[in-house]
Amino acid sequence: EAGVAQSPRYKIIEKRQSVAFWCNPISGHATLYWYQQILGQGPKLLIQFQNNGVVDDSQLPKDRFSAERLKGVDSTLKIQPAKLEDSAVYLCASTSGRTDTQYFGPGTRLTVL
Amino acid sequence: GENVEQHPSTLSVQEGDSAVIKCTYSDSASNYFPWYKQELGKGPQLIIDIRSNVGEKKDQRIAVTLNKTAKHFSLHITETQPEDSAVYFCAASMTGGYQKVTFGTGTKLQVIP
Repeated sequence: EAGVAQSPRYKIIEKRQSVAFWCNPISGHATLYWYQQILGQGPKLLIQFQNNGVVDDSQLPKDRFSAERLKGVDSTLKIQPAKLEDSAVYLCASTSGRTDTQYFGPGTRLTVL
Repeated sequence: GENVEQHPSTLSVQEGDSAVIKCTYSDSASNYFPWYKQELGKGPQLIIDIRSNVGEKKDQRIAVTLNKTAKHFSLHITETQPEDSAVYFCAASMTGGYQKVTFGTGTKLQVIP
C-alpha cells in the first residue's frame, strides 16, 4: 500500500510570510496527526484529527498555525505569519485505529530566514 | 501530561557490538511503548513496540524490555550493523489507536565498521 505522502519536501521563506503544507494519509486511515520536529528533538504533536474532527490541538499555536481536514482524507497545515522559531521538520502521520501503529510521511523541512 | 526522557543522546559502537538505549516515562497510565528509527531525510518508522502486559519482546536482533514499577523501558540491538546507524526515538502512550504519543528526545546511534 502507498505510504503517507507530504509536499513540499522543502520550503524556505522569510519571516512573517505564510506557508502551507499538504498531507495525504494512507488510504482508509481515519486518524491523522501533524507533528513539529525541531532539530535534535523528538516529534511534538501539533494537532490530531479523527476523520474531519479535531481530537487534540492543545499544543497548536493557534494565533499563527491552522490546520484542516475538510473531507476526512488529506489535510493542510498553515503557518501565518511565520517566525524564525518555526524552522523545523513538519511530519504527518496516520493510523487506522485498528492498531496503535502510526505511519509517518517523509516530512517537510521548513527554513524561516 | 506524559514526559519521556531518553538516554544517551549519542551512542557510538563498533560493528558487531550491542547497543542499549534507555527511556523513562512519568504517567503510570501509559501502557504502550513504541520505538521508532529515523534515517536522514525520512520520517520515523516503527521498529518494535511493547505493551504493559509484557515484560520483554524480541524481534531478531532487536529486543525491548519494560519495567512498569520503575517506569522505564529499554531498546537492545545486538550484533549491530552499519545500517543500524540512525536516530532512535522511544515513545509512550495509551492503547486505543487515537491516543496521544509522547516522544523522547532521540538517540543518534553510529555503528563504526
